[in-house]
Amino acid sequence: DAGVIQSPRHEVTEMGQEVTLRCKPISGHDYLFWYRQTMMRGLELLIYFNNNVPIDDSGMPEDRFSAKMPNASFSTLKIQPSEPRDSAVYFCASSLVTGGADTQYFGPGTRLTVL
Amino acid sequence: GNSVTQMEGPVTLSEEAFLTINCTYTATGYPSLFWYVQYPGEGLQLLLKATKADDKGSNKGFEATYRKETTSFHLEKGSVQVSDSAVYFCAHGGATNKLIFGTGTLLAVQP
Repeated sequence: DAGVIQSPRHEVTEMGQEVTLRCKPISGHDYLFWYRQTMMRGLELLIYFNNNVPIDDSGMPEDRFSAKMPNASFSTLKIQPSEPRDSAVYFCASSLVTGGADTQYFGPGTRLTVL
Repeated sequence: GNSVTQMEGPVTLSEEAFLTINCTYTATGYPSLFWYVQYPGEGLQLLLKATKADDKGSNKGFEATYRKETTSFHLEKGSVQVSDSAVYFCAHGGATNKLIFGTGTLLAVQP
């Protein structure tokens, strides 16, 4: 199994540009999670999906952030327009059944730098 | 509300020393408990877990026991190695389908 795949691994962009992060979960997993990690705020859950449907987006910081899951094998997190304070490592994770009680498998992350 | 509290780092140890990283939680009911590890430049990966009271999770020489009476899940290892240097996260999961993570504890093992 290839595990959770994220792309790109690194992204450097300028303030105001649109950024799209991509994630391919483990095949057969029903839940997909997007996290953000910074030194100041630690690991934050942004949004999660169950069977491609967004269940809880209460962690999305503001309207500049949006996430989609058009099918079971692909999800995107978009930031438009990006700002320097969005600089962080963004992780995607997936799990098989009930995400709370089951193991989440994390991707390697996308390190985003907004100049 | 639901939360996880783990000891502040960094924890600096010499190779072969004994490790304890404390973790306590507040939760509704009896959630599953997890320890995740994050090596430099990588994503989090599951280290061990326990799904009910008195269960002991173990992996790679690490152990943690689900203590319902003290709402704790402390991580221990008898003899750490330089390769164990990483950030360790305690977490619990429950009916909300979300994992609640602690703030992470940086472990640095010196040769």
